[in-house]
Amino acid sequence: GQQVMQIPQYQHVQEGEDFTTYCNSSTTLSNIQWYKQRPGGHPVFLIQLVKSGEVKKQKRLTFQFGEAKKNSSLHITATQTTDVGTYFCAGPPWNNNDMRFGAGTRLTVKP
Amino acid sequence: GAGVSQTPSNKVTEKGKYVELRCDPISGHTALYWYRQSLGQGPEFLIYFQGTGAADDSGLPNDRFFAVRPEGSVSTLKIQRTERGDSAVYLCASSLGPGGNEQFFGPGTRLTVL
Repeated sequence: GQQVMQIPQYQHVQEGEDFTTYCNSSTTLSNIQWYKQRPGGHPVFLIQLVKSGEVKKQKRLTFQFGEAKKNSSLHITATQTTDVGTYFCAGPPWNNNDMRFGAGTRLTVKP
Repeated sequence: GAGVSQTPSNKVTEKGKYVELRCDPISGHTALYWYRQSLGQGPEFLIYFQGTGAADDSGLPNDRFFAVRPEGSVSTLKIQRTERGDSAVYLCASSLGPGGNEQFFGPGTRLTVL
């Protein structure tokens, strides 16, 4: 079955440093979504990418969707303590509607 | 407007018991998903409803797990003969449509099987 993998599993940065998490699917995705989960909270939608090679920006966050629609990345510039949480990628395979989540990258930021 | 709600927020039960977990999606959302999340893991897909029907139940781990959505709104996840390994946070999410749409998650039900 489809697998979605994320690296790294954990990332600890100093406030102001950049952060990147990578997502790789074993199958082609119809789209990729990114979610953020704060400690003790539930996943909250950040963004969706649909087109091959698409790049989207939200303030300090940059999201990319690979040309083959099997990988994606999230880059945060100049991290802040409010960026703390676990970032998940998720996507439905091209031929069905279920959603497969990666295991997430847990980001901690030292002030 | 109200978001996705789930009840109970916490459920403690004994091994072998039956439990029901309820999800109230956002009004008008036709798609409803159930996930299970263990500590340090991502949400694990269980089942997806489009309207009243289970469009994809391939994530249900075994026949002890069953979910219904009889009127296309509220959904109930049912677990028979609970086992300690069933302990996790059960998340429900709804969206306007299938697969490609933003999912809105509920706060989850933390199930503990003793």
